[in-house]
Amino acid sequence: DTGVSQNPRHKITKRGQNVTFRCDPISEHNRLYWYRQTLGQGPEFLTYFQNEAQLEKSRLLSDRFSAERPKGSFSTLEIQRTEQGDSAMYLCASSLVRTEAFFGQGTRLTVV
Amino acid sequence: GQQLNQSPQSMFIQEGEDVSMNCTSSSIFNTWLWYKQDPGEGPVLLIALYKAGELTSNGRLTAQFGITRKDSFLNISASIPSDVGIYFCAGRVDRDDKIIFGKGTRLHILP
Repeated sequence: DTGVSQNPRHKITKRGQNVTFRCDPISEHNRLYWYRQTLGQGPEFLTYFQNEAQLEKSRLLSDRFSAERPKGSFSTLEIQRTEQGDSAMYLCASSLVRTEAFFGQGTRLTVV
Repeated sequence: GQQLNQSPQSMFIQEGEDVSMNCTSSSIFNTWLWYKQDPGEGPVLLIALYKAGELTSNGRLTAQFGITRKDSFLNISASIPSDVGIYFCAGRVDRDDKIIFGKGTRLHILP
């Protein structure tokens, strides 16, 4: 399968713990996006990378959130000191510049 | 900020019926996109529109980019059970921008 791959698919964590998600984009896609989707809502933009450079961050991305894309390949999204409000589906998408993005299946985070 | 308003929020239809849903914005978008999301999955792109007035089909799906560049609609003809899901409109100002999503239209097909 050569689509966008996200791991894990599901994560349950206790409040206050740190979690990290991984996204492997489609090979050769230089853009990578992170979105968050809560129940009953559309995906909300968090941040995106072009190669290894993080070009934009949403105000939704508090200082507890950090995203990296070392070497411009896979990306990680870390949430520190998780809160119940962080429970959501975290979606990753990738594209070439000026083309449409393909989404992964998402990581569903539940904070208990 | 930019927001997309989708209507209706949900629809209950009989199999075989045609479906129409739309999306409006208070600001101009230069790209309109329609996605479908199944439970537990990521959104899948159905149709992309790049020019005002453009009408594009993908099988039983047809979408149009409004002349004002502030709206778009999606029609599904002769609905089948696998059409069930959430349909999102999304827009973008520039080709280099991130996309902004609406809240979705949930399509249910009655047995």
